[in-house]
Amino acid sequence: GDSVTQMEGPVTLSEEAFLTINCTYTATGYPSLFWYVQYPGEGLQLLLKATKADDKGSNKGFEATYRKETTSFHLEKGSVQVSDSAVYFCALSDRNSGYSTLTFGKGTMLLVSP
Amino acid sequence: NAGVTQTPKFRVLKTGQSMTLLCAQDMNHEYMYWYRQDPGMGLRLIHYSVGEGTTAKGEVPDGYNVSRLKKQNFLLGLESAAPSQTSVYFCASSYSNVGNTIYFGEGSWLTVV
Repeated sequence: GDSVTQMEGPVTLSEEAFLTINCTYTATGYPSLFWYVQYPGEGLQLLLKATKADDKGSNKGFEATYRKETTSFHLEKGSVQVSDSAVYFCALSDRNSGYSTLTFGKGTMLLVSP
Repeated sequence: NAGVTQTPKFRVLKTGQSMTLLCAQDMNHEYMYWYRQDPGMGLRLIHYSVGEGTTAKGEVPDGYNVSRLKKQNFLLGLESAAPSQTSVYFCASSYSNVGNTIYFGEGSWLTVV
């Protein structure tokens, strides 16, 4: 079945540091890939997505590139802020589910200090 | 802008009791979902619906039932609560398939003692 593997957290960084959160996946066919973010006490929000190989999703300074050859979708940001502290989830959807449902990774907590 | 609203937000149940979580969305979305979130487990899909009157099982459906009698509402029922069902429950909706953005509610914290 489908699965998503993320690096374990927490990831602790100082403000303005470079961020990478690794995400790899196993899926049949050609999945769509997503990053969701969850701020404390809130539900998840879509951060960015990519629907085919070599696509780059970007939003709010975050980027991730769909790498089919390495089955990866790593999240990056050049300069993090304290307000980026949250839990980040990588997710996929594929044809088996009719692109109806998402399979999530376990989440990676990011803590940014001033 | 209400979006996706879940009630109740917090509930404590005794083992064996029943309850219903209500999810309402005002975006005219076709697809609705119930997920549970547990520490170290990420989000796991319980049940989902691709339209009024339809439901389907997700990854962890046992011990739960759902109904989608109206397009805007998706109910999650626990017939006989167990401590293993202590979790945070999230409802979500989307216009069609997940190529469209999924919108999540703020969560319902359920404790079964």
